[in-house]
Amino acid sequence: GENVEQHPSTLSVQEGDSAVIKCTYSDSASNYFPWYKQELGKRPQLIIDIRSNVGEKKDQRIAVTLNKTAKHFSLHITETQPEDSAVYFCAFPHGQNFVFGPGTRLSVLP
Amino acid sequence: KAGVTQTPRYLIKTRGQQVTLSCSPISGHRSVSWYQQTPGQGLQFLFEYFSETQRNKGNFPGRFSGRQFSNSRSEMNVSTLELGDSALYLCASSLGSTGGSGYTFGSGTRLTVV
Repeated sequence: GENVEQHPSTLSVQEGDSAVIKCTYSDSASNYFPWYKQELGKRPQLIIDIRSNVGEKKDQRIAVTLNKTAKHFSLHITETQPEDSAVYFCAFPHGQNFVFGPGTRLSVLP
Repeated sequence: KAGVTQTPRYLIKTRGQQVTLSCSPISGHRSVSWYQQTPGQGLQFLFEYFSETQRNKGNFPGRFSGRQFSNSRSEMNVSTLELGDSALYLCASSLGSTGGSGYTFGSGTRLTVV
């Protein structure tokens, strides 16, 4: 099956700094890569996604970069704010469903 | 449009009992996927239903089952509950293809087995 690695597992940053989370995958046929954010006690929510024909996508303070050759893609959050504190999951298509990375717990310190 | 509705939100059951959870997807979505979320194992895929047919199944024992109705609503059932079944059960609604859209998750059902 699909092997998904996500690093780091925990990340603490000072408010205003940047945060980067990286995921690697093994299935070269993957062509759609979403990221989910799950705040404490809430449902995972799709925050950004990227398709394989694009190298980078930005949405305000959030960006995702894709390196298909190296089989990894990364979530970048700039100018972090306390409300960015959450668990972030990458996901990969596996057939008609998704396999999720183990998650990264991001803490933004005031 | 209405989101994904899961009921109930919380459940407490004793070992050996069975439980049924319900999920109503976004209108027009024909796929419902179920995931188990625990602190140690993350999001684990249980099964997916599309147009009333189970299309995919994860590595869970046969005590975990599900079904989907003609209106796309889905139920999952867990029989002979074990303490290790305590988890947040999330359903995810989608159009049914992973080629260009992700999931919309429900709020989940938190199951506690005592």
